[in-house]
Amino acid sequence: DGGITQSPKYLFRKEGQNVTLSCEQNLNHDAMYWYRQDPGQGLRLIYYSQIVNDFQKGDIAEGYSVSREKKESFPLTVTSAQKNPTAFYLCASSSGGPGLTDTQYFGPGTRLTVL
Amino acid sequence: AQSVTQLDSHVSVSEGTPVLLRCNYSSSYSPSLFWYVQHPNKGLQLLLKYTSAATLVKGINGFEAEFKKSETSFHLTKPSAHMSDAAEYFCVVSDRTGGGNKLTFGTGTQLKVEL
Repeated sequence: DGGITQSPKYLFRKEGQNVTLSCEQNLNHDAMYWYRQDPGQGLRLIYYSQIVNDFQKGDIAEGYSVSREKKESFPLTVTSAQKNPTAFYLCASSSGGPGLTDTQYFGPGTRLTVL
Repeated sequence: AQSVTQLDSHVSVSEGTPVLLRCNYSSSYSPSLFWYVQHPNKGLQLLLKYTSAATLVKGINGFEAEFKKSETSFHLTKPSAHMSDAAEYFCVVSDRTGGGNKLTFGTGTQLKVEL
């Protein structure tokens, strides 16, 4: 059954701690993305990766870090430098083909709460 | 720069009546446009996409959208609402930035369906 999985579904963190969110896909997609969603706002791009061992900053990368060591995996670390980390985090992937029609498919999300 | 404006943050309809969710976009060239749906605490599901082929696009669950270049609009419609349609809907425009496929999201429209 192909798709994108994110874990955990809910995550609680104390202030000052780093935390890593998992994203795995078995769609054989080249490109992967991390978004942040806050109430009443659309999704905002944190980081994206078009190919293994390469990634680029999105619109709100400060306080976050990523790695892309395997095609299937794109973990996101929320560091203590992120001033307001409480949010719903969504991972997506796409085939990475040329043109604008490359559709992104989303995982179920991780809700992070900082206590 | 591209942008998306969803003209209504909340829409309420009765079950069995038509649905209209409005979206206007701004893009420096011919865009690709998408509608996604999100149920509470879930990831985003693709409803439909416009890719410069037919201007009337049919999607899943009876939804469709019409691309009108002269009005820079991409409104989402459904002839008859069902209770299961209650969710948040996002209009999205696609751009290619630095080789990546960047999505710009609207702020969302919350659809309520009443008996």
